[in-house]
Amino acid sequence: EPEVTQTPSHQVTQMGQEVILRCVPISNHLYFYWYRQILGQKVEFLVSFYNNEISEKSEIFDDQFSVERPDGSNFTLKIRSTKLEDSAMYFCASSEALTSTDTQYFGPGTRLTVL
Amino acid sequence: AQSVTQLGSHVSVSEGALVLLRCNYSSSVPPYLFWYVQYPNQGLQLLLKYTSAATLVKGINGFEAEFKKSETSFHLTKPSAHMSDAAEYFCAVKADKLIFGTGTRLQVFP
Repeated sequence: EPEVTQTPSHQVTQMGQEVILRCVPISNHLYFYWYRQILGQKVEFLVSFYNNEISEKSEIFDDQFSVERPDGSNFTLKIRSTKLEDSAMYFCASSEALTSTDTQYFGPGTRLTVL
Repeated sequence: AQSVTQLGSHVSVSEGALVLLRCNYSSSVPPYLFWYVQYPNQGLQLLLKYTSAATLVKGINGFEAEFKKSETSFHLTKPSAHMSDAAEYFCAVKADKLIFGTGTRLQVFP
C-alpha cells in the first residue's frame, strides 16, 4: 500500500540554525500539507500546497517557514532560523483532492529538537 | 469556526472491555469528521470518517463511530478492546484542512 514517508525521523539542531524536513507524498496525490504537534499539545495545521503554490497557511507559518516541491517527488519544509519553540513533531500529509471528504494520509513524522 | 473537543486525555480499559472515546464537535456547517490513530513511533492512520452518508460509520480494526447531530458528538467505540489497540486517538473535523482534538491515549490492561 502506498504511504507517505518522511526523513529524518529525528533531527537535533542548535537554535538559529536552518533545518529542512523532507517528505515524499503518495505518488498520485496533488495536495500536500504540513502539520506539527508540540509535545503534549494538539496536532496543528501549518500549510497546504497545491500546484506549486501555498493554498493556505496558518498564523504559525510565519516568514521563518517555507515549503517547496523541488522535484516530482519530494515536498520540503524549511525553517530558516530555528527557535526553541519550534521543537515539535512535524507531520507531512497528502491527499488526492481538496474536497472535505477526501482523506489526508500522514507520514510517520519528524521529531525536531532545538537546543 | 470549526473545532473538536476530546473528553479525557487518558482512558484505561481491560482487555475485552468496551472502548469509548469521546469527541464533540462545533461547526456552523454540516461537519466532516474523522478519527485517526497514532501507534507509538508511527504516523497518523485513518480509522474512519463521517461524510454524511450514514450516521453509523464502521472503520478498521473493529472500531465504529456514530454521528449524533442532536448531541454534536462523534464518539468512537469498540465492543472488545485488544492489547494492540493501545495508542493515541485523535478526532478531527475538516473543511479544507484538518482541525484536530487534543487526543486521547488509550491503555489496555490484560
